[in-house]
Amino acid sequence: DGGITQSPKYLFRKEGQNVTLSCEQNLNHDAMYWYRQDPGQGLRLIYYSQIVNDFQKGDIAEGYSVSREKKESFPLTVTSAQKNPTAFYLCASSISGARRTGELFFGEGSRLTVL
Amino acid sequence: GENVGLHLPTLSVQEGDNSIINCAYSNSASDYFIWYKQESGKGPQFIIDIRSNMDKRQGQRVTVLLNKTVKHLSLQIAATQPGDSAVYFCAEKLATDKLIFGTGTRLQVFP
Repeated sequence: DGGITQSPKYLFRKEGQNVTLSCEQNLNHDAMYWYRQDPGQGLRLIYYSQIVNDFQKGDIAEGYSVSREKKESFPLTVTSAQKNPTAFYLCASSISGARRTGELFFGEGSRLTVL
Repeated sequence: GENVGLHLPTLSVQEGDNSIINCAYSNSASDYFIWYKQESGKGPQFIIDIRSNMDKRQGQRVTVLLNKTVKHLSLQIAATQPGDSAVYFCAEKLATDKLIFGTGTRLQVFP
């Protein structure tokens, strides 16, 4: 079945370590996104990519990095520069940069906890 | 999800009753609106959408109403079931194609 797969579902990290969250989709979507979800707040956009080998910063990109070497994959690295990395991270994709319908397809999320 | 709901408004309804979840959006130029459902520990799922040239759209057991005058969006769920228990988010699409998400409302369904 087509969908978006995020891994790992749970991840623990020590302060000062970089971690990479995986996101893979087999929906043949051009656009992919990373959001952060914190209690009591709406989803906030970290990075997005509308095409392979291109990506743009979202609203809260500081302390994060991404790559888009393949259409199917959009990994997110949470670097040690991110001051408050403990959060629930959601990856999403859409047909063509949300320009047609805006409908996003989300993965199941990755819960990162910094110890 | 496990990370939301700690400070969210909550709507409690009895099984079989109708539910109405409200959302105020911020930008009068937004042209497209979406409702998402997020169950505990999962990612959001698309429920229904509506374009700004409409004021009502119906799906299976769900209806979305749009009032552009007061920038208000609502989601109505008919005959609410225990499986409807979740956090519901609205989202508005700006003219720049950016999506802005609301903070969400938790729906609790009691037998």
